[in-house]
Amino acid sequence: GESVGLHLPTLSVQEGDNSIINCAYSNSASDYFIWYKQESGKGPQFIIDIRSNMDKRQGQRVTVLLNKTVKHLSLQIAATQPGDSAVYFCAENIGGSYIPTFGRGTSLIVHP
Amino acid sequence: NAGVTQTPKFQVLKTGQSMTLQCAQDMNHNSMYWYRQDPGMGLRLIYYSASEGTTDKGEVPNGYNVSRLNKREFSLRLESAAPSQTSVYFCASPKVSGKTGELFFGEGSRLTVL
Repeated sequence: GESVGLHLPTLSVQEGDNSIINCAYSNSASDYFIWYKQESGKGPQFIIDIRSNMDKRQGQRVTVLLNKTVKHLSLQIAATQPGDSAVYFCAENIGGSYIPTFGRGTSLIVHP
Repeated sequence: NAGVTQTPKFQVLKTGQSMTLQCAQDMNHNSMYWYRQDPGMGLRLIYYSASEGTTDKGEVPNGYNVSRLNKREFSLRLESAAPSQTSVYFCASPKVSGKTGELFFGEGSRLTVL
């Protein structure tokens, strides 16, 4: 089975709300995690990353939380906008490898 | 700054035909990867090249071959296409900085095998 997975395949929110996308991983050796955004018809794009020695990292309107105890990762998007509509993937890297394993993705739909 | 460029963007093949997907990066990265993406699934690694002159199998290498032509170019070849190879193919290259390495992806090559 996959070592990286997502709890919800589709998340629908209203414009302006905060969004939370969750991800579970199973490999305790994973030490680097990345969130990617994939818009329709395009390749994935880097959003934010976090190393295992951190439990929180903030970017512009996005925050990634890492809970190593339960092997859980989340992406929070503040004040969600229609342009945030996309599929979001979490990816884990193990032991210094830069070849990530991807989860199946969560589709975020933002309603105006 | 183009980043990662893939060609062709779309291709339709008949079963048994062969073709090569081309990928080039202008970021002077050492590593390059090929992924496939199927509906409802994440990206699965087909082959990767950690540096010029080396290639290694990923999770789903069967039915594919690769060539790392030089530091910039990494091609993926289907010798005898099968309908199961209908997919979207992405080339990617990591920007490695210390212990972090975000991937830069191409726009994808959409392949249909009839």
